[in-house]
Amino acid sequence: GAVVSQHPSWVICKSGTSVKIECRSLDFQATTMFWYRQFPKQSLMLMATSNEGSKATYEQGVEKDKFLINHASLTLSTLTVTSAHPEDSSFYICSASLAGGQTGELFFGEGSRLTVL
Amino acid sequence: LAKTTQPISMDSYEGQEVNITCSHNNIATNDYITWYQQFPSQGPRFIIQGYKTKVTNEVASLFIPADRKSSTLSLPRVSLSDTAVYYCLVRRRDDKIIFGKGTRLHILP
Repeated sequence: GAVVSQHPSWVICKSGTSVKIECRSLDFQATTMFWYRQFPKQSLMLMATSNEGSKATYEQGVEKDKFLINHASLTLSTLTVTSAHPEDSSFYICSASLAGGQTGELFFGEGSRLTVL
Repeated sequence: LAKTTQPISMDSYEGQEVNITCSHNNIATNDYITWYQQFPSQGPRFIIQGYKTKVTNEVASLFIPADRKSSTLSLPRVSLSDTAVYYCLVRRRDDKIIFGKGTRLHILP
């Protein structure tokens, strides 16, 4: 099946710094990528929808200036957590939709665990 | 986006067949039903997808009645490694996926 890779898989940073997480579709082109965050014992929460070449669409309550999303190519989307604080510590997961796919199956990355000290 | 309801948790024993039912009363004509599995600290993994009747693959079966207002994921002969959270999702092809709470399945030896 299609593979989506995230990097880094885990990162620790100091409060106030910015962290970039990459999401790549390795063997297919993805016109749309989604970013989620997940707190312990909770479900995935959709943060934003990222379309190649256009601005991301953020879900209600998600600060677009804090969570910068760039989808510069059909195989790469990045999430930058700016001025990170301890409450931003979470598990961030991306998913990609196969362009032209018949049923729109989503493929998920392995996730990136962010810990802000 | 159709809302889904599934049990919060389930326990079963190794070797048993496990059936997890999901309700989606507001499912629309163009909606597909998809199930994902998630292990701790990993991204969700696709299990099976269907539109109507029955779908079977190497890991599971999906039963969808004619009215499509519910669906049942069937896992044959579960093992300890099937302990995970299972999510039932309903969406149109290009819609974003909104996750519900999922079912936490715990397999006992």
